[in-house]
Amino acid sequence: DTGVSQDPRHKITKRGQNVTFRCDPISEHNRLYWYRQTLGQGPEFLTYFQNEAQLEKSRLLSDRFSAERPKGSFSTLEIQRTEQGDSAMYLCASSFSGAGADTQYFGPGTRLTVL
Amino acid sequence: TQLLEQSPQFLSIQEGENLTVYCNSSSVFSSLQWYRQEPGEGPVLLVTVVTGGEVKKLKRLTFQFGDARKDSSLHITAAQPGDTGLYLCAGDKSGGGADGLTFGKGTHLIIQP
Repeated sequence: DTGVSQDPRHKITKRGQNVTFRCDPISEHNRLYWYRQTLGQGPEFLTYFQNEAQLEKSRLLSDRFSAERPKGSFSTLEIQRTEQGDSAMYLCASSFSGAGADTQYFGPGTRLTVL
Repeated sequence: TQLLEQSPQFLSIQEGENLTVYCNSSSVFSSLQWYRQEPGEGPVLLVTVVTGGEVKKLKRLTFQFGDARKDSSLHITAAQPGDTGLYLCAGDKSGGGADGLTFGKGTHLIIQP
């Protein structure tokens, strides 16, 4: 069990550019979540996948954000036309349904800085 | 509106002292999780509590879930500098999946040698 991994760990981009982040969940986990965390705040839910299906999206996920999990394994989060307000830590978490409580395990995050 | 209120927001104490961190809400949660987060890293799971009134111990850390499943506390006995970090509570309202976890803002804990 290698845990949840995220790539890259850090990304600096200029306003208006597109960025894509990757998350590899724990291998047997069928649920995958994306969160965003800004300074001084707890993580905020963005979206959720069960297997390859995206079942829930937060109002925080504007039209510029899109997430995929094509084969029910890894997931990508793309932000188009980045804005300075997108600067944050983007966290991925995974869990296994049917194991009682939905205990989520987080990756190390991708720190995005938009200049 | 913050759904989960954590208190205190900041706490700095001497090594060896005891402390309690609180996580309160007006909402009922099917489960509640506590995490610790280091700067620049993702949250690391400490415990999940599910049953109202449940108490779980992890070495010097004691976690309690309120009887009504609306609140929780974390008690640390004989705090050590290695306990320094951001402690986050997170509640699951839906029982898994939809809406994800709802996090508090966290308690920044500093244990001074």
